[in-house]
Amino acid sequence: QQPVQSPQAVILREGEDAVINCSSSKALYSVHWYRQKHGEAPVFLMILLKGGEQKGHEKISASFNEKKQQSSLYLTASQLSYSGTYFCGTDWRAGGTSYGKLTFGQGTILTVHP
Amino acid sequence: GAGVSQSPSNKVTEKGKDVELRCDPISGHTALYWYRQRLGQGLEFLIYFQGNSAPDKSGLPSDRFSAERTGESVSTLTIQRTQQEDSAVYLCASSLMSAGVSYEQYFGPGTRLTVT
Repeated sequence: QQPVQSPQAVILREGEDAVINCSSSKALYSVHWYRQKHGEAPVFLMILLKGGEQKGHEKISASFNEKKQQSSLYLTASQLSYSGTYFCGTDWRAGGTSYGKLTFGQGTILTVHP
Repeated sequence: GAGVSQSPSNKVTEKGKDVELRCDPISGHTALYWYRQRLGQGLEFLIYFQGNSAPDKSGLPSDRFSAERTGESVSTLTIQRTQQEDSAVYLCASSLMSAGVSYEQYFGPGTRLTVT
């Protein structure tokens, strides 16, 4: 039930845009996005909830298509600091349990060059 | 306020020895999660705590792995008779919790475990 992320890697120049996709085979309650820099802990970016609510950063946007069980993260006017590995975590709830267990994708490596 | 802390930051142990990894969550966070991250891989869920109870242990890879949480605070992940395949970074995360609501998880810096 691991979500599938695409692409696996992206190389950008500063100022360019990127889209990272996350697809699940299960109906989702929410999708979480995190960024991890090498040797550091993952850092929260955004949550997209079923029903359309979003919580996250100002400079990053994302979409959540509940019907298609997909989410996309949009990084615009990329900066050097955007470099890192991006993970989506999907929250699907079997039997109605509700505790936010996340199943993470394999990650998308984003590299931004000057 | 302090973030999530973990200790030790690095642990090298011999195959067959037991290890204990500690996590101090953010104060007031009732939910606590343990994940394992192998080199170059994603995060693998191990166990979840709600308060001091662990309603979901489904991710523990074998009976050599166990975890407990006390005082709705500190959690310890214990790996008995370590094997080389246990080598990984073990990450702890905590979050607020409310039925039906999904909150962001805050991660600690991790413990890098190397089994020789």
